[in-house]
Amino acid sequence: AQSVTQPDIHITVSEGASLELRCNYSYGATPYLFWYVQSPGQGLQLLLKYFSGDTLVQGIKGFEAEFKRSQSSFNLRKPSVHWSDAAEYFCAVGATTDSWGKLQFGAGTQVVVTP
Amino acid sequence: DTGVSQDPRHKITKRGQNVTFRCDPISEHNRLYWYRQTLGQGPEFLTYFQNEAQLEKSRLLSDRFSAERPKGSFSTLEIQRTEQGDSAMYLCASSLQQKNIQYFGAGTRLSVL
Repeated sequence: AQSVTQPDIHITVSEGASLELRCNYSYGATPYLFWYVQSPGQGLQLLLKYFSGDTLVQGIKGFEAEFKRSQSSFNLRKPSVHWSDAAEYFCAVGATTDSWGKLQFGAGTQVVVTP
Repeated sequence: DTGVSQDPRHKITKRGQNVTFRCDPISEHNRLYWYRQTLGQGPEFLTYFQNEAQLEKSRLLSDRFSAERPKGSFSTLEIQRTEQGDSAMYLCASSLQQKNIQYFGAGTRLSVL
């Protein structure tokens, strides 16, 4: 069975500093991988996705993520954080053998941005 | 706005009452998903439709839960005899079959007193 682990429940970062959020997955093959962001009281917004090909993917709002097969990881990064990046971030996995495409999410990482 | 729309945004109900939520997907999307998110957790898959056919249901979806998508457009999720443990955010998402990218609505937050 597939699973997703986000080791960091909470991260505090200063505005302008870099940010890295960790995501590890367990799956028998290369899954579809996603990062979503959720602001308080809101739904989830897709930041970026990985299906195949180039292992470094670019997303919206200046985010990027790198797929590392050997480490079963898909970490999210941003070089310089803005106060508006304060939110909860979810990594999600979709099985490539699952034609229905349902997603399994990690528990999320809450990001706090300090001045 | 052509995103996924959910109604209501908030619902407060007493234990034992029935509630129904509505989801309007992006118009050309033929896949529709329901997820449940409790405090401090990521969304958990509940059920999935392709057009009007409900193709998969999670074990989380007890007999008190029922979902429909009668004409392959909007969907409803009904919870009968609500319990306090049903309190959560209920999220709807839609996608195109060929794309495997799910777009989420803002969710319906249910509070069962």
